[in-house]
Amino acid sequence: QVHLLQSGAEVKKPGASVKVSCKASGYSFSSYAIHWLRQAPGQRLEWMGWINAGNGNTKYSQQFQGRVTITSDTSANTAYMELSSLRSEDSALYYCAGGSIFYFYMDVWGKGTTVTVSS
Amino acid sequence: EIVMTQSPATLSVSPGERAIVSCRASQSISRNLAWYQQKAGQAPRLLIYGASTRATGIPARFSGSGSGTEFTLTISSLQSEDFAVYYCQQFNNWPLTFGGGTKVEIK
Repeated sequence: QVHLLQSGAEVKKPGASVKVSCKASGYSFSSYAIHWLRQAPGQRLEWMGWINAGNGNTKYSQQFQGRVTITSDTSANTAYMELSSLRSEDSALYYCAGGSIFYFYMDVWGKGTTVTVSS
Repeated sequence: EIVMTQSPATLSVSPGERAIVSCRASQSISRNLAWYQQKAGQAPRLLIYGASTRATGIPARFSGSGSGTEFTLTISSLQSEDFAVYYCQQFNNWPLTFGGGTKVEIK
């Protein structure tokens, strides 16, 4: 069974960075892509970026360009999302989601990681 | 960036009735559209991709249609477990973008 396990909740101060992990199981990690998205309370889903877990190619939303870095470790079947220069508006539930490397919808989701940015 | 607009924001439906959710793209996205269901406190679940193809395990009462800029998600006979928020997502252009969501609630 395909499963994405995300790391636990984080509390960070403004200006700090956060790194969230997403461990995949039940499928060939390097044959898939991992997306990172976020959702603030009552808000729509916001796509942040994507990594082809097989070759490491990435694509980022312009909104987060320069602040977000997505990486993958195929030996650990794990993808990572690091967001820097945090501000209070970055407080949200962050999801990783898996999908095809050819079609960019998400057919398996992690349960989400809450990131709170507060002084 | 392609803007996705859903309507209505809230839909009140009685169990057993049909629900129709609309999604409009700010420019043509061919059939590169997906629909997701999100229940309170849960991650989204893929329902439909390619505008009309049901994902694995999705009941036949869920159907999608449309192409270009206008799309529809239809739930033919609402069950209790279908009351949730529904999102559309375009995957034709970067960045990937989502609609604002439609809450389907019990009437």
